[in-house]
Amino acid sequence: DVKVTQSSRYLVKRTGEKVFLECVQDMDHENMFWYRQDPGLGLRLIYFSYDVKMKEKGDIPEGYSVSREKKERFSLILESASTNQTSMYLCASSTSRRGAVYEQYFGPGTRLTVT
Amino acid sequence: AQSVTQPDIHITVSEGASLELRCNYSYGATPYLFWYVQSPGQGLQLLLKYFSGDTLVQGIKGFEAEFKRSQSSFNLRKPSVHWSDAAEYFCAVGDSWGKLQFGAGTQVVVTP
Repeated sequence: DVKVTQSSRYLVKRTGEKVFLECVQDMDHENMFWYRQDPGLGLRLIYFSYDVKMKEKGDIPEGYSVSREKKERFSLILESASTNQTSMYLCASSTSRRGAVYEQYFGPGTRLTVT
Repeated sequence: AQSVTQPDIHITVSEGASLELRCNYSYGATPYLFWYVQSPGQGLQLLLKYFSGDTLVQGIKGFEAEFKRSQSSFNLRKPSVHWSDAAEYFCAVGDSWGKLQFGAGTQVVVTP
C-alpha cells in the first residue's frame, strides 16, 4: 500500500511565524504535490515537484515555497504565515511515465490555523 | 487550460436510493479523469479513473462512472447508497504531466 504521511494533523501558528509542513511518501514516487483545500473551492495546487531539487509553481504559489532535497520528502514552507493561509493542506504523490497519467495518492492532511 | 465543474454543491439522498454526481470538464486533448472521495477529517481516496477504452468505468465501493466525450462529462453513479457513502466527492482532470485540476466538490448527505 502506498503511504503518504504528513508531519502534523493539526497546527496552530501565529501571524508572521515561519511554518514548515512535511510530507513523506514510501513508494519511490517521482512526483509530489502540495494543495490547499478550502470550502467551496476544492483543491488548489500550490507547488509540485517532478524530481529531487526540482519544483514548479502551481496555481496559487504566492506566500509559499517548497523544498525537495530527497526523493521521498517534500516540504511546504510558509515564510511568514498570515491569517489568509488558514486552511487544510494536502500532500500527494504519484509515479510518472512518459505519456501516462497515474493517480495521485494523498496524505491525511494538515489543518493549519494562523492566529 | 483544463477546468472541472461540479454543478451540485450538496446532495441529500436516502439510504438505499441511487446516486448520481455530475462532473463536466474542459480540456483540449484526451482527458485523464478521476473521481476521489474524502471522508470527514481524511485525505482523498481514489474511487475510479478513466484514461481510454471502455467509457463505463467500474471503481471501488460499488461506484461507476461514464465518460461521454460529446457532453464533456464524467458522471459518477451508485445504484444503492449506504450510510457510509456520506462524504465529499471530487472530480478531477489530469494533464499529460500528471497535474490534476479538481472541481469544487459535492457534499453527499445520506438520510436513514
